[in-house]
Amino acid sequence: DAGITQSPRYKITETGRQVTLMCHQTWSHSYMFWYRQDLGHGLRLIYYSAAADITDKGEVPDGYVVSRSKTENFPLTLESATRSQTSVYFCASRLYGTSGAQETQYFGPGTRLLVL
Amino acid sequence: RKEVEQDPGPFNVPEGATVAFNCTYSNSASQSFFWYRQDCRKEPKLLMSVYSSGNEDGRFTAQLNRASQYISLLIRDSKLSDSATYLCVVNSETGGFKTIFGAGTRLFVKA
Repeated sequence: DAGITQSPRYKITETGRQVTLMCHQTWSHSYMFWYRQDLGHGLRLIYYSAAADITDKGEVPDGYVVSRSKTENFPLTLESATRSQTSVYFCASRLYGTSGAQETQYFGPGTRLLVL
Repeated sequence: RKEVEQDPGPFNVPEGATVAFNCTYSNSASQSFFWYRQDCRKEPKLLMSVYSSGNEDGRFTAQLNRASQYISLLIRDSKLSDSATYLCVVNSETGGFKTIFGAGTRLFVKA
């Protein structure tokens, strides 16, 4: 089915390990985003991408790396996982533009990550 | 101070009640505003955009007051299915793209 998907949906890892969360969208949306959601903080932007090969930092980028070699994929890598990175991670996408439906962000189902 | 602030609730209301959520934002350069809904352990989904003139979608009415930097969502005739967390969202593209989500207001509608 078309849409935005994330994998894995659940992940348990250990401190210090590298972890990559995958995000794939089939709409050819220009923008893609990675958020983390924690109790008391709501959704916080980690990184975003305006197009292939263009990425920029969000509010909480430290400890994360992203790439976007293809429009449809936007993987997020935790280079050396820490316990503070235990969270729910949401990927989102939207069209390019600043009016109406173009600004709607569509979210993937989330990845629940536990770092032991 | 957080850039987008919401009353965390929870709001507990009976079916059929009218409930209002408020949201304030600190960046006067903010350009667009939205309400998203998030069900437990699910992803957020757009409920409605918020326009300067105010807008309505069925039982839902959104208002924006730029002078006071305040957004509201009114839900009339609450249904059990309205139980969820409602997120206030503010976009700014001044000085770089920025979307800020409020922490959300939890709503429980009871029979």
